[in-house]
Amino acid sequence: GAGVSQTPSNKVTEKGKYVELRCDPISGHTALYWYRQSLGQGPEFLIYFQGTGAADDSGLPNDRFFAVRPEGSVSTLKIQRTERGDSAVYLCASSPISGGEAFFGQGTRLTVV
Amino acid sequence: SQKIEQNSEALNIQEGKTATLTCNYTNYSPAYLQWYRQDPGRGPVFLLLIRENEKEKRKERLKVTFDTTLKQSLFHITASQPADSATYLCALTLGGFKTIFGAGTRLFVKA
Repeated sequence: GAGVSQTPSNKVTEKGKYVELRCDPISGHTALYWYRQSLGQGPEFLIYFQGTGAADDSGLPNDRFFAVRPEGSVSTLKIQRTERGDSAVYLCASSPISGGEAFFGQGTRLTVV
Repeated sequence: SQKIEQNSEALNIQEGKTATLTCNYTNYSPAYLQWYRQDPGRGPVFLLLIRENEKEKRKERLKVTFDTTLKQSLFHITASQPADSATYLCALTLGGFKTIFGAGTRLFVKA
């Protein structure tokens, strides 16, 4: 594809439910980042993959959050037992070089009701 | 504590003037510093990257400076246009390549 694709674009879920957010990076990009962004704030770092492995997951807020990238391409962010405070826009970005220019998707707007 | 600070107040300037945005950070030693533009409802878009051993970088109407002693970057848009109105985000790339963002500064350019 031409850019980073995130699905779904919007997700409304009930408190306590499990959700999965998907990110398709630009083909060939080895680095993949997940961020979440609340209104009026900058993107908050969650996790960074280099290839298949999580190089830095220090931003995951607690053990309800988990992310995978099993084949070094598509990544899924998984949130268990969702809480209203998890409501935000979840952004994915990929980069051909770790730490370099990052290409962002449009984000998934998650609303927990 | 570690912080990235950008002007929280919006910057309003007249078309044709130079916009200058500031990014200050504390208790970080970034390898790179990046600037992104974000429009409402969209993901950030990369503008410029400057390395710790570089003082200044330019791209068309954009100029970035990086002072690792002051722990500050300045981002300039010359000959500003209404289409430059957006939120501008400063980002630090740390050792290990984790990249973290400031809260951004909103720029409004009036015709």
